[in-house]
Amino acid sequence: QSVLTQPPSVSAAPGQKVTISCSGSNSKFGDSYFSWYQQLPGAAPKLIMYENDKRPSGIPDRFSGSKSGTSATLVITGVQTGDEADYYCGTWDSSLSDVFGGGTKLTVL
Amino acid sequence: DVQLLQSGAVVKKPGESLRISCKGSGYSFANYWISWVRHMPGKGLEWMGRIDPSDSFTRYSPSFEGHVTISVDKSIDTAYLHWSSLKAPDTGLYYCMRRSERGWFDPWGQGTLVTVSS
Repeated sequence: QSVLTQPPSVSAAPGQKVTISCSGSNSKFGDSYFSWYQQLPGAAPKLIMYENDKRPSGIPDRFSGSKSGTSATLVITGVQTGDEADYYCGTWDSSLSDVFGGGTKLTVL
Repeated sequence: DVQLLQSGAVVKKPGESLRISCKGSGYSFANYWISWVRHMPGKGLEWMGRIDPSDSFTRYSPSFEGHVTISVDKSIDTAYLHWSSLKAPDTGLYYCMRRSERGWFDPWGQGTLVTVSS
């Protein structure tokens, strides 16, 4: 079981807003940056958010991120069918070991 | 273009050894840690460990320490993941990634599928 807890699945109709949470199990992540990865079916994961709230070049501003305490949130506004994928959060703990959440499957209805 | 290119899919028997590779291009390989994750069917990403190519310092997840070895040959910009004795539960998809100083991973390799079956 991951020390970063994500909901196993979320769903939304096209155009709606989706929120994916990533909860750290303890204070080990208080000083860490969170990042988010999108894994489309059959593809390698891809960075879509880094340092809590920064978008890499090419990632639309429909994607936003935030951090509060030892948890992070990814928000997708105006969700599209092409956003259907698995989403993973990641960070590191106080021993500098990296860790990922269990992943959230986004279904666009 | 910054890229990580991994070696191809392999099928091995239990007890056999295996080394898979991850070659970086388009950046200064020694300046970024390389990490490995395992992705098993229907499961999440499991961080296995990482290496600093500049000095070969490694850190492993307790779940994988002692079962795999991460190494690097910085003369050819290549990192490796090695098993000395494979087990059936090692079957999975393995990704290498370049790690930034602030903990994010980009890019990712395309993945190497390892199948361990008698």
